[in-house]
Amino acid sequence: NAGVTQTPKFQVLKTGQSMTLQCAQDMNHNSMYWYRQDPGMGLRLIYYSASEGTTDKGEVPNGYNVSRLNKREFSLRLESAAPSQTSVYFCASSYLADETQYFGPGTRLLVL
Amino acid sequence: AQTVTQSQPEMSVQEAETVTLSCTYDTSENNYYLFWYKQPPSRQMILVIRQEAYKQQNATENRFSVNFQKAAKSFSLKISDSQLGDTAMYFCAFMKTSYDKVIFGPGTSLSVIP
Repeated sequence: NAGVTQTPKFQVLKTGQSMTLQCAQDMNHNSMYWYRQDPGMGLRLIYYSASEGTTDKGEVPNGYNVSRLNKREFSLRLESAAPSQTSVYFCASSYLADETQYFGPGTRLLVL
Repeated sequence: AQTVTQSQPEMSVQEAETVTLSCTYDTSENNYYLFWYKQPPSRQMILVIRQEAYKQQNATENRFSVNFQKAAKSFSLKISDSQLGDTAMYFCAFMKTSYDKVIFGPGTSLSVIP
């Protein structure tokens, strides 16, 4: 099992560019999540998908969109990147919404 | 709204010694989950230990144990026989049983000194 995988590992964008962060899990988990991590602020939830076909906003959804493509994959899209979106992005999954989350290795995003 | 506080931004401990990381939280819920996650320099988030609020017994996982004080809303992590590989950021996290979202604390940076 690869667990939770994320691509790319690192990306540099210019302000206004768009990109999609990919996440996939092979653990047959129902719930998937996107977080961002900024220094001194821990992790903050951007969006989550409690089950295939559903998505909901988290704590900091502005500037992002998500797609739960199927049970395995959950992508995060930045339509028009801003310097404030410079961060490390983590994808996570869990079998059920109230169970332990397993995290991917993270994507480091730099917006210039 | 729930909040999680970790009052120690940085800590250090000598190898083989014991260290305790503090965490307090604020909630009006009676049933919930608490977690400690470890993030080493590789940035991977790794679950260390999990506690269900309805369980009075403190969770343990090898060298890691918690002191869960529900009335005081305190959830500290004790690491015994510290090892160099324990050097990492440690995040305390809270989650309601009916799904809302996981709330993470700001983290404590732990350095294990040889």
